[in-house]
Amino acid sequence: DAGVTQSPTHLIKTRGQHVTLRCSPISGHKSVSWYQQVLGQGPQFIFQYYEKEERGRGNFPDRFSARQFPNYSSELNVNALLLGDSALYLCASNLRQGSGVSGANVLTFGAGSRLTVL
Amino acid sequence: DQQVKQNSPSLSVQEGRISILNCDYTNSMFDYFLWYKKYPAEGPTFLISISSIKDKNEDGRFTVFLNKSAKHLSLHIVPSQPGDSAVYFCAASDRGQFYFGTGTSLTVIP
Repeated sequence: DAGVTQSPTHLIKTRGQHVTLRCSPISGHKSVSWYQQVLGQGPQFIFQYYEKEERGRGNFPDRFSARQFPNYSSELNVNALLLGDSALYLCASNLRQGSGVSGANVLTFGAGSRLTVL
Repeated sequence: DQQVKQNSPSLSVQEGRISILNCDYTNSMFDYFLWYKKYPAEGPTFLISISSIKDKNEDGRFTVFLNKSAKHLSLHIVPSQPGDSAVYFCAASDRGQFYFGTGTSLTVIP
């Protein structure tokens, strides 16, 4: 059973370029979230999608956009890249563990896409 | 605005001893708190969680304690093993949105 898969694993871009990152959630999971992790910081929430609809958006500029496809895979797009966009971009499936009020929503992360902007 | 804070960037512990990682938060609306472990070149891996209505949750060598009045939680690892060496992130969720701390790098010395 494949976990969360992301591609590409590493990429290098120059300032002003555009990048597309891809993610496939755990099979059967309908929710996908994107996080940005800058070196030395914790993951920062960018987007959440559920059933192809945006359910949440973090404090990121409009250069960041995403979409979810009918098969629940997702793309994160970043336009007009800046040096500060260099980071590890993490995709996660959102799984509820347990039942009732004791169930916690748990993020299961992929290995990430390491973006370097020169 | 950092809603979840880990004030210790690093921690070193001898193998077999207890590791205690700390986390503070500001948002009283958080409903769950989680700990994640991250190795280099991998995504964070879920370790253990606790509901805001509980004060303790235990899973094997890992125990998480929650002090709501102090808005503080901690992760205890007993006994610590060299394989526990990793970066540990504290996280909190508010209606499905997750907020992460900056991480504590744990080194367990054999």
